[in-house]
Amino acid sequence: DIQMTQSPSSLSASVGDRVTITCQASQDISNYLNWYQQKPGTAPELLIYDASNLQTGVPSRFSGGGSGTDFTFTISSLQPEDIATYYCQQYDDLPITFGQGTRLEIK
Amino acid sequence: EVQLVESGGGLVQPGGSLRLSCAASGFTFTNYWIHWVRQAPGKGLVWVSRINSDGTSTRYADSVKGRFTISRDNTKNTVYLQMNSLRGEDTAVYYCASLGGRAFWGQGTLVTVSS
Repeated sequence: DIQMTQSPSSLSASVGDRVTITCQASQDISNYLNWYQQKPGTAPELLIYDASNLQTGVPSRFSGGGSGTDFTFTISSLQPEDIATYYCQQYDDLPITFGQGTRLEIK
Repeated sequence: EVQLVESGGGLVQPGGSLRLSCAASGFTFTNYWIHWVRQAPGKGLVWVSRINSDGTSTRYADSVKGRFTISRDNTKNTVYLQMNSLRGEDTAVYYCASLGGRAFWGQGTLVTVSS
């Protein structure tokens, strides 16, 4: 199975800060990586697909990068509505695997 | 509008059975593999099962193999998850989803296994 190591597990930042989350795959997954935002009581929402493509309708302050085994997710200027848990997910091979999640809080 | 709608969740006793449904609309259903993913209360996302586009190939997580069965009816644009021999650790919100690029998810259905 492909292990996805996501860090940090939690993060506290101020409005306007630049925030970065990393995800490392245990083997090469090319660019087969999604990033999601999940708010309490709701389903995950796709923000970034194919590692770096912004999903339609998602604000441009969100971005993704990387390929192979090392990936990043960045919020360029944190907004109050970005409070959520974020997950990476690989779809290179079955079983599909997710990162452990990053809980983002406002300082 | 692309949509997946889960139903069939509820409270069931340990050892019991439940069948979840995932109704699809707004896209060409027969082109897509569909997955089930679950999330226990306060925990992360865990992949459960996948079925290919014509229903001829299925895969399962080790934790549910032999107890859960995924199937689909392409005439009804619906995927099913038959869950037997349920345990307390199966308690979770169950989502159906397409998990490739441009992934999309349903809203989830809660399964509670408790006496």
